[in-house]
Amino acid sequence: GAGVSQTPSNKVTEKGKYVELRCDPISGHTALYWYRQSLGQGPEFLIYFQGTGAADDSGLPNDRFFAVRPEGSVSTLKIQRTERGDSAVYLCASSLTSGVNNEQFFGPGTRLTVL
Amino acid sequence: AQSVAQPEDQVNVAEGNPLTVKCTYSVSGNPYLFWYVQYPNRGLQFLLKYITGDNLVKGSYGFEAEFNKSQTSFHLKKPSALVSDSALYFCAVRDYTGRRALTFGSGTRLQVQP
Repeated sequence: GAGVSQTPSNKVTEKGKYVELRCDPISGHTALYWYRQSLGQGPEFLIYFQGTGAADDSGLPNDRFFAVRPEGSVSTLKIQRTERGDSAVYLCASSLTSGVNNEQFFGPGTRLTVL
Repeated sequence: AQSVAQPEDQVNVAEGNPLTVKCTYSVSGNPYLFWYVQYPNRGLQFLLKYITGDNLVKGSYGFEAEFNKSQTSFHLKKPSALVSDSALYFCAVRDYTGRRALTFGSGTRLQVQP
């Protein structure tokens, strides 16, 4: 079956611009996660949704970052006033339920470059 | 706070030889442990997990991992390496409190030479 998909695969923007990154989770998965992976590092947690609500947004670095999941499926990560330090690969993952023993399935990521 | 350490940036092994990729962790209470593999320009792929029970966990592509509570380790192993196993491997942990976020190590690049 189809895995997690993310669009766009690459995004180049200028400092100060607004960007939106989209994630389509695996069909039927209720939990959705966003991570950020900088070069040479492991993924770092940003935010987790259970259904439509953000159950844990403790990883968002500041208030320029925001994410929504209005219908409990597709999610959009929004970054305002982008900075060069925001350049990274943004990964989305989903899991069947929010159970702590469930593995997360990752998408291919969106590579964001802020010039 | 939970953390994961992968002490080796790179592991080199000859094809056909056994491989080990090391991981140690720190959490409050009992851990949930995961291994993922990342191929170039592709997302992370789940390999295996330890939740409870047998300390030796078997996963995809012939990989296995051994949970050692006293040493707080979860090393990834494979009896016979393939060139196609060359990739970036990440260990991750989630603690028992219920927080859903995974904490990842910095990754270990496995290079299998023909």
